[in-house]
Amino acid sequence: SQQGEEDPQALSIQEGENATMNCSYKTSINNLQWYRQNSGRGLVHLILIRSNEREKHSGRLRVTLDTSKKSSSLLITASRAADTASYFCATDDYKLSFGAGTTVTVRA
Amino acid sequence: GAGVSQSPRYKVAKRGQDVALRCDPISGHVSLFWYQQALGQGPEFLTYFQNEAQLDKSGLPSDRFFAERPEGSVSTLKIQRTQQEDSAVYLCASSDRGDTEAFFGQGTRLTVV
Repeated sequence: SQQGEEDPQALSIQEGENATMNCSYKTSINNLQWYRQNSGRGLVHLILIRSNEREKHSGRLRVTLDTSKKSSSLLITASRAADTASYFCATDDYKLSFGAGTTVTVRA
Repeated sequence: GAGVSQSPRYKVAKRGQDVALRCDPISGHVSLFWYQQALGQGPEFLTYFQNEAQLDKSGLPSDRFFAERPEGSVSTLKIQRTQQEDSAVYLCASSDRGDTEAFFGQGTRLTVV
């Protein structure tokens, strides 16, 4: 069963715009991670946010976590064509539980 | 090695055939995971090893699926009597602990015909 659920399922934006996607989960977590998957490739870890953190930044990525709402968001600022990929959140109870992902398309 | 390596990258199997998928994790990583990813879906957990011990195999879909990691490094996922519904990408991941960043291999795309 999948714990994390991403929203929206798909997102199409113009290069330079920001992209925001959300993740909701069901049970208590120790941390939450975001991964990116380019077509036909493996998953690449983007960022990990712990349950006692509310916001974290990494380059053009900003992740927030609201444990009271059991939700997280990933913001990609100033998007580039190379950001075109599927993005997954994963909750961590030692085995990562992924949602179905948000497919982001960045148009040049 | 530099990353998680999986082989083969692609496998076509006739229905009923047995297959073995290999995963070479990052050296020294204690935790190893196998996931199954159907087209357009997120990865689904199959099984988890801590060193050579298989601590969780709750995601294995049937008794036709078997995984091992006998020496605590390389792991093999075996599927017996493959069925069409087994067609998917099988991903392997490793981490130095169970609750930290996981590094994924490129996956093995299995097509059962």
